[in-house]
Amino acid sequence: DTEVTQTPKHLVMGMTNKKSLKCEQHMGHRAMYWYKQKAKKPPELMFVYSYEKLSINESVPSRFSPECPNSSLLNLHLHALQPEDSALYLCASSIQGGSNSPLHFGNGTRLTVT
Amino acid sequence: AQKITQTQPGMFVQEKEAVTLDCTYDTSDPSYGLFWYKQPSSGEMIFLIYQGSYDQQNATEGRYSLNFQKARKSANLVISASQLGDSAMYFCAMRERESGGGADGLTFGKGTHLIIQP
Repeated sequence: DTEVTQTPKHLVMGMTNKKSLKCEQHMGHRAMYWYKQKAKKPPELMFVYSYEKLSINESVPSRFSPECPNSSLLNLHLHALQPEDSALYLCASSIQGGSNSPLHFGNGTRLTVT
Repeated sequence: AQKITQTQPGMFVQEKEAVTLDCTYDTSDPSYGLFWYKQPSSGEMIFLIYQGSYDQQNATEGRYSLNFQKARKSANLVISASQLGDSAMYFCAMRERESGGGADGLTFGKGTHLIIQP
C-alpha cells in the first residue's frame, strides 16, 4: 500500500462545481507535489510545496488552487473546470531537496469534468 | 529539447524472458538522479529503482537492474525473468540538483507500455 493517501479515488464534477482533492502523507517529507496525467501521457508537474510554501507553479490556470495547511496535508481546490481538465491527478511527496530522493506517489484521483 | 527520451512506445515480451527498456537523458547538471517508475492500469506510480550520477556501480533491486552508461547518457532498465504482473507502463525520470534552495520535481519520459505474454 502507498504511504501517500489521496481522496477521493474518483470524482465527477460539472463545470460550475467547486470541489477539492486531498492528499496526506505521514513520512515526515517536507516537499509535496501535484501532477496532472492525461491518458497515455507522462505526468506533468503542476505545483511544488517546500516547507509548506509554494515554490513552483508551472503556469497552471487559476481554476486550480493549491493549499498546504500543514506539512502532512496538500489540497487542490477546483473551480470552474473545463472538460479538458479531465485527467488523473497524482500527489507525491519527497524528502526535501537533493537529486537522490525519489518521489512517493499516491494512487491518484481520476477526475471527470462534464 | 526533451530531457528524457524513451524510444519504445510499446513492447511485447514472452513470460520468463529478460527485457530491457531504453532511456536516454540530457542534462548539463553534474549532479542528478535517474529513476524508474512502474504504472499499472490502476494508476498508481510505483518507484522501482534509483541511480545517482556519481554512483560507480549499476543499481539493482531484486529483479530490476539499471544499466547506467554515463558517457552515453543512458539509463536502461533491465527486468530479469519477466512475469505477467510486470505488464504496465514504465517511466524513466530524472531529478536534477535543486535550484534556489527549493524542491523540484521529476521530469518524465513518455513511457514504454510493456506487455508480458504467457
